[in-house]
Amino acid sequence: EVQLVESGGGLVQPGGSLRLSCAASGLTFNTSSMNWVRQAPGKGLEWVSYISPSSRTIYYADSVKGRFTISRDNAKHSLYLQMNSLGAEDTAVYFCARSPTTYYLDFFDMWGQGTMVTVSS
Amino acid sequence: EVVMTQSPATLSVSPGERATFSCRASQNVGGSLAWYQQRPGQAPRLLIYLASTRGTGIPARFSGSGSVTEFTLTISSLQSDDFALYYCQQYHHWPPTFGRGTKVEIK
Repeated sequence: EVQLVESGGGLVQPGGSLRLSCAASGLTFNTSSMNWVRQAPGKGLEWVSYISPSSRTIYYADSVKGRFTISRDNAKHSLYLQMNSLGAEDTAVYFCARSPTTYYLDFFDMWGQGTMVTVSS
Repeated sequence: EVVMTQSPATLSVSPGERATFSCRASQNVGGSLAWYQQRPGQAPRLLIYLASTRGTGIPARFSGSGSVTEFTLTISSLQSDDFALYYCQQYHHWPPTFGRGTKVEIK
């Protein structure tokens, strides 16, 4: 069974940092392109970041560029999102999601259950 | 970026009835359009990609159509599990963008 399990969410003060993790199982992680997608409370979905299987190609949404860093450890079947300089606008459920091909522009065929990040003083 | 506009925002349908809703792209996205279902408190689930190809394990009552800028998702006979939010997403232009969703509720 394919599983993507996010962790690391929580309450953080404005300006603070948080590191999210996504543990993958049941899929060939080291050949999978991975993404972070977020959903603010009561809102729609927003793509955040993409990383290729080798980590050679990385993209960010303009809203997080310069503040967030995506990374992966293929040996540990894990995806990460380091989030710095957090603001209230970053409050959301963060999902890790797989793209079915290695092309950077794709849909998302597998999703984790998400981890909630709340930025508040 | 490409703006995806979904309509209606809410659709009230009785179980067993047909539901049809739309997604319009602000630019030509070819056939690079996906649909997702999201039940409350759950992750999105891929229903349709390439505008009309059902994802793995998706029942045949879900069908997608359209191209360029106009797309439609049809659920032929609504089951209780189908009352949920539905999002479209384009992946033709960078960055990938989603619509704001259509909520299908019980009439």
